[in-house]
Amino acid sequence: QVQLVESGGGVVQPGGSLRLSCAASGFNPRSYGLHWVRQAPGKGLEWVAFLNYDGSNKYYADSVKGRFTISRDNSKKMLYLQMNSLRAEDTAVYYCVRGYTYSCFDHWGQGTLVTVSS
Amino acid sequence: SYELTQPLSVSVALGQTARITCGANNIGNKNVHWYQQKPGQAPVLVICRDSNRPSGIPERFSGSNSGNTATLTISRAQAGDDADYYCQVWDSNTVVFGGGTKLTVL
Repeated sequence: QVQLVESGGGVVQPGGSLRLSCAASGFNPRSYGLHWVRQAPGKGLEWVAFLNYDGSNKYYADSVKGRFTISRDNSKKMLYLQMNSLRAEDTAVYYCVRGYTYSCFDHWGQGTLVTVSS
Repeated sequence: SYELTQPLSVSVALGQTARITCGANNIGNKNVHWYQQKPGQAPVLVICRDSNRPSGIPERFSGSNSGNTATLTISRAQAGDDADYYCQVWDSNTVVFGGGTKLTVL
């Protein structure tokens, strides 16, 4: 079955960096777009970034543009999120999500918690 | 930027019909997707492209979208439907979520 497993979360100081990873299995990632979506404690869902099936199109939320970079390695079935210049407001559970471009998100990982705090 | 407006909370009696709205300018011209999230769990897709149920989602869940309002309808509400619900659209090359609605089944 389709599985998305995130890793790489943890505690980081403001201004620091962190790299999240997502391992995909049970499907061919070359056929799907992949997203990162986050959820701050007690808050709603916030879309972060999207990368299409072949990596040719990347889209970012304004709140992370210039600080976060989404990438993928289809040969390893991996999705990544490089997060730089982290702020307290980036504290959230980060979900790796599968979805076609301009369509719904049909499978979600269980998430990894990122805490930005001194 | 495009904004989706959902009621903070909706209550429904057990066995009755709940309707959760998602409002935005001309949302009827977009595809609206709905997600259910229970405490401590990842969201689950319940409606794709206005009214399409993924496999495994009960027929009690349905969706509609017209004008300035999209609606998620849950018929014969059960205790297990108690959850947060989010609507979502694509706007240009960004993704927008509604603020979420807490559904309470009484």
